[in-house]
Amino acid sequence: ELKVEQNPLFLSMQEGKNYTIYCNYSTTSDRLYWYRQDPGKSLESLFVLLSNGAVKQEGRLMASLDTKARLSTLHITAAVHDLSATYFCAPYFGNEKLTFGTGTRLTIIP
Amino acid sequence: DSGVTQTPKHLITATGQRVTLRCSPRSGDLSVYWYQQSLDQGLQFLIQYYNGEERAKGNILERFSAQQFPDLHSELNLSSLELGDSALYFCASSVGTSGAQSEQYFGPGTRLTVT
Repeated sequence: ELKVEQNPLFLSMQEGKNYTIYCNYSTTSDRLYWYRQDPGKSLESLFVLLSNGAVKQEGRLMASLDTKARLSTLHITAAVHDLSATYFCAPYFGNEKLTFGTGTRLTIIP
Repeated sequence: DSGVTQTPKHLITATGQRVTLRCSPRSGDLSVYWYQQSLDQGLQFLIQYYNGEERAKGNILERFSAQQFPDLHSELNLSSLELGDSALYFCASSVGTSGAQSEQYFGPGTRLTVT
C-alpha cells in the first residue's frame, strides 16, 4: 500500500523561528512535489524535486529529497505570518498519479 | 492564477441528484487530472486524461465518470449523489503526463455540498 506521512500534522510556531516539516513515504519514488494551500483555496506548486539529494530554496523555504531514506523535508527559516498555510508533499509512485500526504497545517504566531 | 479554470465555484444539490463539473486546462496543456479533497479522506486522485484518452484511474467511484473533449476541456460527472460526496473537487493540468515529469497546475476548485 502506498503511504505518505507528514509530520507534524499541525504546527504553531512563532515568527522568527525555524522549523522542519517531514514527509515520509512507503515505497520507491524518484521525484517529489511540495504544494501550499491557503484555507479554501487551490494548491500552489512550491518545489519539484527530481533526484536524490535535490535541494531547492525559495525565500524562507527550503526543500530536500533523500530517495534512499524515502524522506523529504521542508525547512522554514525565520518564519513570517505570510507562511501560514497547509503544506502538502506528493511523491510520484508511477502510474501517472501523485499521492498526496496528509498535509501539515502551519500557523505562524506573531 | 494558475491558468486552469473550473466552473462552477460552488454547487449545492440534494442527495440522489447528478451534477457536472467543468475544467479548462492551461493553454497548451494536454493532461487533465481530477482530485477530491475532503476532511476525512484528504486529497485523493480520481482520474487523469491525456489528449482525450483516459490515462490513469485512482479512487473514483462507479457513480462518477469523466471525459476530455477535443478542445481539451474536461467534465467530471457525479451521479446518485450522497452526503459523503460533499467535498472540494480540483482539476489540475500539465503539459505532458506525470510520467514525463510534468508539473501539475491546480484550478481554483468546485465546492460541492450535498444536502
